[in-house]
Amino acid sequence: ILNVEQSPQSLHVQEGDSTNFTCSFPSSNFYALHWYRWETAKSPEALFVMTLNGDEKKKGRISATLNTKEGYSYLYIKGSQPEDSATYLCTAGPGMRFGAGTRLTVKP
Amino acid sequence: GAVVSQHPSWVICKSGTSVKIECRSLDFQATTMFWYRQFPKQSLMLMATSNEGSKATYEQGVEKDKFLINHASLTLSTLTVTSAHPEDSSFYICSAGGTTYNEQFFGPGTRLTVL
Repeated sequence: ILNVEQSPQSLHVQEGDSTNFTCSFPSSNFYALHWYRWETAKSPEALFVMTLNGDEKKKGRISATLNTKEGYSYLYIKGSQPEDSATYLCTAGPGMRFGAGTRLTVKP
Repeated sequence: GAVVSQHPSWVICKSGTSVKIECRSLDFQATTMFWYRQFPKQSLMLMATSNEGSKATYEQGVEKDKFLINHASLTLSTLTVTSAHPEDSSFYICSAGGTTYNEQFFGPGTRLTVL
């Protein structure tokens, strides 16, 4: 079983702050790293899929990096907005088991 | 993008009855689908991996006789909650695998309430 851990569990920031959180996974048996943005009772929204060590992806104010050798990925949000409030989930595949997620709350 | 539907979106049933939830990939074929459950204030917990034409693979602690999964075609997987009890009340969501590094497309979820 590929255990994925995310930290912190929750995060409260002010509008305009930049923030980041971590997804850790065993570096052996790595397949692909997925980040999802999830609002409760809605479908998770895919943000990034990363496969190669050193990968960096960016979508607007959100970006992510991947280190497969040490088994972690960082998700960064620049200039957080209230609409960024959600739970951010990651999974490292191939089994699609999510970490516990990081719940982000951005205060206006 | 790929679309996954779930039906019903919400259901209320009496304790002891069985409830079937359907997950369909509308514009692509999926040999693998995943079923998740969300406990209150928690993340999505993987229940099982549904494989077309074969038995589902259940996660540790998930009762296979209680949560019956059938993946009869490349576009449909069903989850049947048998003899439902109030503790089975939850949000169930499915996903279907794409071809790019197991990218997942999620259904909108089903809210089950067992009275």
